[in-house]
Amino acid sequence: DGGITQSPKYLFRKEGQNVTLSCEQNLNHDAMYWYRQDPGQGLRLIYYSQIVNDFQKGDIAEGYSVSREKKESFPLTVTSAQKNPTAFYLCASSPLAGAYNEQFFGPGTRLTVL
Amino acid sequence: AQSVSQHNHHVILSEAASLELGCNYSYGGTVNLFWYVQYPGQHLQLLLKYFSGDPLVKGIKGFEAEFIKSKFSFNLRKPSVQWSDTAEYFCAVQSYSSASKIIFGSGTRLSIRP
Repeated sequence: DGGITQSPKYLFRKEGQNVTLSCEQNLNHDAMYWYRQDPGQGLRLIYYSQIVNDFQKGDIAEGYSVSREKKESFPLTVTSAQKNPTAFYLCASSPLAGAYNEQFFGPGTRLTVL
Repeated sequence: AQSVSQHNHHVILSEAASLELGCNYSYGGTVNLFWYVQYPGQHLQLLLKYFSGDPLVKGIKGFEAEFIKSKFSFNLRKPSVQWSDTAEYFCAVQSYSSASKIIFGSGTRLSIRP
């Protein structure tokens, strides 16, 4: 059953701790994306990757880091430098980077920093 | 910078009413346009898309959208809504110059009274 998995569904962390969110896809898609969703603000792009071992900053990359060591995996680390990390995080993928395809989304991870 | 505006933040309708959700974008070049839907507790999924050709596009579940280039608009419509259409709806734009990025609107929450 092809798709995008994100784990965990809910995550709680203390302020000042780094936390890594998992995103895995078995769709053989080249491009992967991380978004942050806040109420009334839609989805904002954090980072994206068009190919293994390469990634670019999105509109709100400060306080976040990513890696793309494997085609199917694109983990996101929320660092202690992120001022307001509590949010709903969505991972997405699309078949070909730079081509005109829709993005497919995972179920999301809700991060709460206490 | 590119932006997408969804002017209706929360729309409340009765079953069988007609629906129109507004979407305007700011970008002068050629664009691809999308409407995504997020049902309660479910993944964000594609409702319909416009790449080229007939500006009236039909999507899943009886939804349609019309691209009016002169107005920079891509409004979503459905002639008769059902309770199951209760969800959050996002308009999104992808420009030909930065095809890896999709810019999302802030979303419109649709509530249907049974």
